[in-house]
Amino acid sequence: SQQGEEDPQALSIQEGENATMNCSYKTSINNLQWYRQNSGRGLVHLILIRSNEREKHSGRLRVTLDTSKKSSSLLITASRAADTASYFCATSLTQGGSEKLVFGKGTKLTVNP
Amino acid sequence: EPEVTQTPSHQVTQMGQEVILRCVPISNHLYFYWYRQILGQKVEFLVSFYNNEISEKSEIFDDQFSVERPDGSNFTLKIRSTKLEDSAMYFCASRRSRQASPYEQYFGPGTRLTVT
Repeated sequence: SQQGEEDPQALSIQEGENATMNCSYKTSINNLQWYRQNSGRGLVHLILIRSNEREKHSGRLRVTLDTSKKSSSLLITASRAADTASYFCATSLTQGGSEKLVFGKGTKLTVNP
Repeated sequence: EPEVTQTPSHQVTQMGQEVILRCVPISNHLYFYWYRQILGQKVEFLVSFYNNEISEKSEIFDDQFSVERPDGSNFTLKIRSTKLEDSAMYFCASRRSRQASPYEQYFGPGTRLTVT
């Protein structure tokens, strides 16, 4: 079954540095999405990249997708303390139109001021 | 900006009791989902719902669970007889359509269910 797995599991950086998180998955996908979750809170959608796209930008976020390697990366540039959160990749595969999301275990990012 | 809302934010119940978690998806969305996240673990898919019926469900979604869209705006998850292991954060999500962008699923803030 498809599965998103992020690495590293935890990442601690200084404010202003860039943070890179990676995600690998096992099966063909329609799209891959990244979400942020602040501790004990809901999931906030960050960015979606479709299977025929290789790179996408949104503000300080850059996502890449390599379908040949079944991997994606999320880069947060010029990080801020407010970026401290857990980041999850989620893959979507059409099965009868459901397009359920399969989440990875997440990367816990700490940005130190 | 439209958002998915969920009530209550926190529900405490005793083992064996029935609970109903409520969600109001974004109004022009057609696909609805429930996910759960046990503390410290990853988010898991429970069920998807489209055109007033379940389109897919996971192994977790057994006979103790049911979903309903009673009035065209609310989307509910019912657990008939709660168990300790049902303690988790439950997220509702919605998506506009299969054919048209955006394909993103928008999540509510979650209901924390504590079964004692």
